[in-house]
Amino acid sequence: GQQVMQIPQYQHVQEGEDFTTYCNSSTTLSNIQWYKQRPGGHPVFLIQLVKSGEVKKQKRLTFQFGEAKKNSSLHITATQTTDVGTYFCAGPDNAGNNRKLIWGLGTSLAVNP
Amino acid sequence: EAQVTQNPRYLITVTGKKLTVTCSQNMNHEYMSWYRQDPGLGLRQIYYSMNVEVTDKGDVPEGYKVSRKEKRNFPLILESPSPNQTSLYFCASSLFGRDGYTFGSGTRLTVV
Repeated sequence: GQQVMQIPQYQHVQEGEDFTTYCNSSTTLSNIQWYKQRPGGHPVFLIQLVKSGEVKKQKRLTFQFGEAKKNSSLHITATQTTDVGTYFCAGPDNAGNNRKLIWGLGTSLAVNP
Repeated sequence: EAQVTQNPRYLITVTGKKLTVTCSQNMNHEYMSWYRQDPGLGLRQIYYSMNVEVTDKGDVPEGYKVSRKEKRNFPLILESPSPNQTSLYFCASSLFGRDGYTFGSGTRLTVV
């Protein structure tokens, strides 16, 4: 079945280092969404990418959607302790609607101060 | 404040005792979903709803029921809870599903 895979599963960095998580889909996606879940918290929507090759920035976060719309990445420049959490990507099922999202298992980021 | 409200936040119950977890959103969203989150398994969709009286199964619907009688409310019903339903549950809503989902704060359920 349709799958969304994320790597790495865990990442431990020193504060100030960069961090990247990758999301790969088994099928072409109409769009991809990124969420952040702080420890003990709930997922919070960060961004949605729709166009092939799209790049969006939110302060130190850069999101990219691959040309083939099968992969995506989230890059954080100069991590801070506030970046700690699990980052999830999710894409709609093959029907192309967003009522059923296929989720990656997430990348857990730990930041040493 | 725009939000998804789940209740209760924590619940410990016994096997077989029917329970309902409530979910309400104040954003007039069309789409609502229920997820469970378990270590190593990520977020798994239980049920979703596209509008009033329109619901469909997600990936793990067994042992759960939902209803959508009003646009704002989407309760999750466990008719006969079992220990394997011990989990963290999230309700989420979206205007049309194209703009990301807003999640509730979660309900941690323990079935003993």
